[in-house]
Amino acid sequence: AQKITQTQPGMFVQEKEAVTLDCTYDTSDPSYGLFWYKQPSSGEMIFLIYQGSYDQQNATEGRYSLNFQKARKSANLVISASQLGDSAMYFCAMRVPNYGGSQGNLIFGKGTKLSVKP
Amino acid sequence: GAVVSQHPSWVICKSGTSVKIECRSLDFQATTMFWYRQFPKQSLMLMATSNEGSKATYEQGVEKDKFLINHASLTLSTLTVTSAHPEDSSFYICSARPGLSSNQPQHFGDGTRLSIL
Repeated sequence: AQKITQTQPGMFVQEKEAVTLDCTYDTSDPSYGLFWYKQPSSGEMIFLIYQGSYDQQNATEGRYSLNFQKARKSANLVISASQLGDSAMYFCAMRVPNYGGSQGNLIFGKGTKLSVKP
Repeated sequence: GAVVSQHPSWVICKSGTSVKIECRSLDFQATTMFWYRQFPKQSLMLMATSNEGSKATYEQGVEKDKFLINHASLTLSTLTVTSAHPEDSSFYICSARPGLSSNQPQHFGDGTRLSIL
């Protein structure tokens, strides 16, 4: 079964410091994609970063990087130099393969609430 | 690019009313759109996959007759909550993926907060 696990309900980080948000996944399919989304209190879902299962290098997007450890089935999000505006819910998601009757939809973890302290 | 517009952003109505929510991809075509539901402090749960020109695919436990989905064009999908009751109050959010490539991220609308009195 496809599953995403985020074990940290809430995290605190001091402004300007780095923080790692944990995400583990479970799938038997060799082809999958992993996504991180940010959801501020206003509700919109903001795409942050993507990692494909066959990608050799860890994905990076500005202050966001994804620590992809395939053997451990983990895809942790690292936010460097935290800013007050980073305070939000963060969701890790896995794309269900786009075949076999599925449509490539996303399965989400329960999320981690990040609070950045000034 | 890849903007998804969702309307309305907030609905408050009486029990028994039907509510229509629109999801539009503004700058790309989407043969597939997804509808999610999110309860307070919980994750997004997929309700159904909306397919242009064909019937939607509903997840287990989601009532097809309760949540009507119409994907009439490549840029518009609608979700109608029929005869809404207080238990239908929730945050509904749609998403669409530009192109067929599976590594393209889904882009989300801003969501609709539905409150049934």
